[in-house]
Amino acid sequence: GDSVTQMEGPVTLSEEAFLTINCTYTATGYPSLFWYVQYPGEGLQLLLKATKADDKGSNKGFEATYRKETTSFHLEKGSVQVSDSAVYFCALSVLNDYKLSFGAGTTVTVRA
Amino acid sequence: NAGVTQTPKFQVLKTGQSMTLQCAQDMNHEYMSWYRQDPGMGLRLIHYSVGAGITDQGEVPNGYNVSRSTTEDFPLRLLSAAPSQTSVYFCASKEGRAYEQYFGPGTRLTVT
Repeated sequence: GDSVTQMEGPVTLSEEAFLTINCTYTATGYPSLFWYVQYPGEGLQLLLKATKADDKGSNKGFEATYRKETTSFHLEKGSVQVSDSAVYFCALSVLNDYKLSFGAGTTVTVRA
Repeated sequence: NAGVTQTPKFQVLKTGQSMTLQCAQDMNHEYMSWYRQDPGMGLRLIHYSVGAGITDQGEVPNGYNVSRSTTEDFPLRLLSAAPSQTSVYFCASKEGRAYEQYFGPGTRLTVT
């Protein structure tokens, strides 16, 4: 079945540090890949997406590239801020399947 | 647009009690779903609906019922609450062929 494996947390960083969260997937079809973010006390928001191989999703300084050869979709940000403290979820959906399959989530804390 | 709304935000139940978690969306989305979020497990799909009158089971449906009498509403019923159902519950919706799912703010349920 479809599944997502993402880097275990928690991750603690200082402001302006580089952030990377690893995500790999297995899928039976051609998945679309997503990163969702959950800020404290809130629901999930779509951060970025990529719908085909070699696509790069980007938003709010975050980037992730859909790598079909390594079945990966790692999230990166060059200089984090305290406001980036949140839980980040990698997820996939396969064409014509409504379900999102989520990774376990990675808690990121950025200290001033 | 209010987006996806959920009520209540918090709920405490005793084992064996029943209750309904409410979910509504005002975006005329065809697809709606319920997920539960547990530490270290990401989000897991409970039930979903592809339109009014149509529902189906997700990964973890046991102990939960759903119905979809209108496009806007998708309530989740706990028939006889158990401590294993202590979790945070999220409702989500999306357009039929769109990629992005929109999540509600969540309901934190504790069963004692």
